[in-house]
Amino acid sequence: DQQVKQNSPSLSVQEGRISILNCDYTNSMFDYFLWYKKYPAEGPTFLISISSIKDKNEDGRFTVFLNKSAKHLSLHIVPSQPGDSAVYFCAASYMGSQGNLIFGKGTKLSVKP
Amino acid sequence: DSGVTQTPKHLITATGQRVTLRCSPRSGDLSVYWYQQSLDQGLQFLIQYYNGEERAKGNILERFSAQQFPDLHSELNLSSLELGDSALYFCASSVAGAGPPTDTQYFGPGTRLTVL
Repeated sequence: DQQVKQNSPSLSVQEGRISILNCDYTNSMFDYFLWYKKYPAEGPTFLISISSIKDKNEDGRFTVFLNKSAKHLSLHIVPSQPGDSAVYFCAASYMGSQGNLIFGKGTKLSVKP
Repeated sequence: DSGVTQTPKHLITATGQRVTLRCSPRSGDLSVYWYQQSLDQGLQFLIQYYNGEERAKGNILERFSAQQFPDLHSELNLSSLELGDSALYFCASSVAGAGPPTDTQYFGPGTRLTVL
């Protein structure tokens, strides 16, 4: 039973346009949500996070939006660049989980020049 | 480079065998986590150690075990291997094992295990 779901295995976007990656969750206890980015042959790297008490967090070209009522979050990348091509994982944690992260299956983003 | 090192990068072995995966955390990090990524799956949390002590367990099989040594490196032992154990195994480390927002997990490059 997947608590964190990324329903789109892949996404293709033109350079300069907006990339929107989506994530849904089922556990109401989650209090932090994170996005990790993974290039081939490398481990995931932390990108951006958001607390459950916020609805938006922005860091440069990356913005994460959280809709608690819908149990949905999204990562916006504007403008998209070819170097953003990677697999993006949505992850969540809750107080008492000792920081352990529950990951979605990932979305492979391809940004075409 | 995250500062987390994992060896070996690739491992090919046969069913029924036992292997050991090694992880060295970033300098100063006390907590180590192990994750498994099977084909088309997200990363599944296996186990966490903090300063040598087991802190939390996830979906780790009884055939698998881990430990963290006094120098803080960790080893994941996989025994009686089955075909389904073929996966990428990632180690991550963090300073305190406290979780976000103060405690970020940094991942190693992973060990790819193939069981034939």
